[in-house]
Amino acid sequence: AQKVTQAQTEISVVEKEDVTLDCVYETRDTTYYLFWYKQPPSGELVFLIRRNSFDEQNEISGRYSWNFQKSTSSFNFTITASQVVDSAVYFCALSEFQGAQKLVFGQGTRLTINP
Amino acid sequence: DAGVIQSPRHEVTEMGQEVTLRCKPISGHDYLFWYRQTMMRGLELLIYFNNNVPIDDSGMPEDRFSAKMPNASFSTLKIQPSEPRDSAVYFCASSTLSSGGMTDTQYFGPGTRLTVL
Repeated sequence: AQKVTQAQTEISVVEKEDVTLDCVYETRDTTYYLFWYKQPPSGELVFLIRRNSFDEQNEISGRYSWNFQKSTSSFNFTITASQVVDSAVYFCALSEFQGAQKLVFGQGTRLTINP
Repeated sequence: DAGVIQSPRHEVTEMGQEVTLRCKPISGHDYLFWYRQTMMRGLELLIYFNNNVPIDDSGMPEDRFSAKMPNASFSTLKIQPSEPRDSAVYFCASSTLSSGGMTDTQYFGPGTRLTVL
């Protein structure tokens, strides 16, 4: 069975600090997808990134970066120079590689950026 | 392009009443998913459709829950009779096949916050 663990329930930092959100997953599949979604206080789920298990290259998008390490089954998310608008709940998710790609979510990490 | 549309955004009802949640997927998307978010269980998949056909309903909690997709642009999730433990945020998401034949990313609607008193 697939499982995603986000051990950090809540994180609070001061604006401009860097912050890393941890994600560890379990799957018996050799190929799969990993995702991060953001849920701001308004409640919607916003897609941030999808990575396939073939590609362990780190990815950077502005202040966001993702570190995928298949050897440790981790897909961590770092926000550099955090801003108050980054305050949200962040979900890591895992899906099968083929088919409908049903999402299995972690419990989420609530990130609060204080001014 | 319009995203996934859900209605109503908020629903408050009394125990025993029938509740119907609605979803309009992104045009051209052929997969539709219903998820539920609760404090206790987090985000969990209830059911998904492919080309309007229910494929996997193993996440539907009880017979009180039913979902339909009469056409490519509309789906409903019905709870009858509703109970207080059904209180949650219900999300609809849709996706499509990419040019490589793999399913593309799921995009979520704004959710319906259901409160059953």
